[in-house]
Formats: sequence, C-alpha cells, structure tokens
Amino acid sequence: DTGVSQNPRHKITKRGQNVTFRCDPISEHNRLYWYRQTLGQGPEFLTYFQNEAQLEKSRLLSDRFSAERPKGSFSTLEIQRTEQGDSAMYLCASSLGPGHTFGSGTRLTVV
Amino acid sequence: KQEVTQIPAALSVPEGENLVLNCSFTDSAIYNLQWFRQDPGKGLTSLLLIQSSQREQTSGRLNASLDKSSGRSTLYIAASQPGDSATYLCAAPSGSARQLTFGSGTQLTVLP
Repeated sequence: DTGVSQNPRHKITKRGQNVTFRCDPISEHNRLYWYRQTLGQGPEFLTYFQNEAQLEKSRLLSDRFSAERPKGSFSTLEIQRTEQGDSAMYLCASSLGPGHTFGSGTRLTVV
Repeated sequence: KQEVTQIPAALSVPEGENLVLNCSFTDSAIYNLQWFRQDPGKGLTSLLLIQSSQREQTSGRLNASLDKSSGRSTLYIAASQPGDSATYLCAAPSGSARQLTFGSGTQLTVLP
C-alpha cells in the first residue's frame, strides 16, 4: 500500500478554465475527504464521501465545485470557471477508523 | 462549531532544546485529537493520534497530551533537531462526517 496518492502535484491554469484533480485513497479506507489549504492557514473541510456516497459538503464548496467517487474507489474534484481566489493547496485524506491519512496535495495556481 | 487555536504561531529554538506546542479547542466532546507535521509545499504527515480515553501518546521524541476538560492538548518535542523544522498542526474531528477542524499551525524553526 503506497498511501494516499494525489495527481497532479501542481497545476497552473488560466482564469476561467476548468480543472480536475484526482485522489486515490488507501484501498481499504471507506471514508474520503477533500480539504483546501491557503497560505499560512490550516486545511479547511470541503466534502466527505463514505464509499461512493457524498454525505457532507461545506459551505466553502460553491456551485463551481463538484466531487465524485465512482464505485467508492478513487475520487475527483473538479473546479469550473476557475477564479484567482481558487488558488490553494487541495488535500485529499482517507480513513477507516479514527484519524486521517493525507496525500501530498495538488497545488493549484490560477493566473 | 468546533474552533481550534494554536499558540505560538511561530517558534525559533536552538538545537537540543525541549519545547512545547499548544493547541486549544472549544468543543470538548471530541473522539480524538491528531497532530500533524507539514513541510513547506507538502502534504500532512500524521505524528500522533490521541483517543479521548487516553491522556498521553508517545512516539520517539514526541509526546502528546490531551485534557478534554480544559480543552487543551500539548505536543512536547524532546532534544529538538534541525530536521524537526516544519509547521505543526493539531486537528479535532467534528460533525457527522468527523471531518477535521484544524488550527492555523505553529511554524517551528530549530537552529543548528
């Protein structure tokens, strides 16, 4: 098991473009979380999946954001019509019991 | 709503010193508390997880304590090394999804 894997590591995009990130959790973990982290702050919760069901969404997750976890395995986070304020580190975490295991994150820069 | 605060925001110490990082939380009805390390531009590495039934958890030179009644946790680092330089984050689960609420972190610099 190689832990939680996130791709790409870095993404630079022009304002208004759509971007998609992928997260591969630890295989036996049924819970998957997405967080966003801006410079100098702790990560903030975006959304949560238990298996393939998206059960919780933060108010931070605007209509331009959508997440999926087909078949309860990997997950994707898509941002449509990106804005400069979307520039951040996007972190994925998975868990089976207590505690989260995080991936290395995807750094998004919107220019 | 859970709020987590970490003090100090930054700390610089000479190599070899023992140090304490503080974390406070507002909702004491937590299942556990987790401490993470984050290197610049990287993801989070879990250091210690303390269950609500425990008071302390140790891993090598690290010791974390949890006092639910006072809403506090501390991370003790013994004999600090330059390789310990990083941002240290504490987080408590909340909500039905048990999502983590993080503090803003303590940026630690250990000077050789």
